[in-house]
Amino acid sequence: EVLLTQSPGTLSLSPGERAALSCRAGQSLTNTFLAWYQQKPGQAPRLLVYGGSSRATGIPDRFSGSGSGTDFTLIISRLEAEDFAVYYCQQYDSSPPTFGGGTKVEIK
Amino acid sequence: QVQLVQSGAEVKKPGSSVRVSCVASGGTFSGYAVNWVRQAPGHGPEWMGRILPVLGIANYAQKFQGRLSITADTSTGTVFMGLISLTYEDTAIYYCTRDRGSSSYLFAYWGQGTLVTVSS
Repeated sequence: EVLLTQSPGTLSLSPGERAALSCRAGQSLTNTFLAWYQQKPGQAPRLLVYGGSSRATGIPDRFSGSGSGTDFTLIISRLEAEDFAVYYCQQYDSSPPTFGGGTKVEIK
Repeated sequence: QVQLVQSGAEVKKPGSSVRVSCVASGGTFSGYAVNWVRQAPGHGPEWMGRILPVLGIANYAQKFQGRLSITADTSTGTVFMGLISLTYEDTAIYYCTRDRGSSSYLFAYWGQGTLVTVSS
């Protein structure tokens, strides 16, 4: 199965700042089937980005995904209060689908 | 809007089994696969298995082979996840999810989660 490694583990930032989250795959995702999810306490994960760079329905354009092969990035251009949460990457390029360990974006 | 509604929290003893249900709004999963994903406290999500309700065909992560059963009742639009031989490590929130369109394993819709606690 494909191992996904996310970094950093925790990102401490202030509202209005830019966040850059990394996800590295243990093998190349040939179809770029990489998704990002946001999870807040007590809630289910919410799909933000799929196919590496396509925003899901209703996701603000301050969220952008990029990357290919083994290296992927989620950028939050200007953090708003509701963006402080845990973010997971997930590959659906091959079975079984796997998730990264998560990056927590916390208020500095 | 697709909504998935799961059954309530469960407390189970080690060695016992649990069954969690998931119902789609409108009573149908519209031909798409339904997956089960669990999340242990402080950990990332973990895919367990899936079923295509219209065909009744399920496949499971190797880790859960022999312990996990996913079934569907198309007459009621309900999918069930059954896990046997529970251990403390099975304590987690269990989510049913539905694929986004034809994209397999892309989890666009999630149930509210069911907390399963294994405790003696």
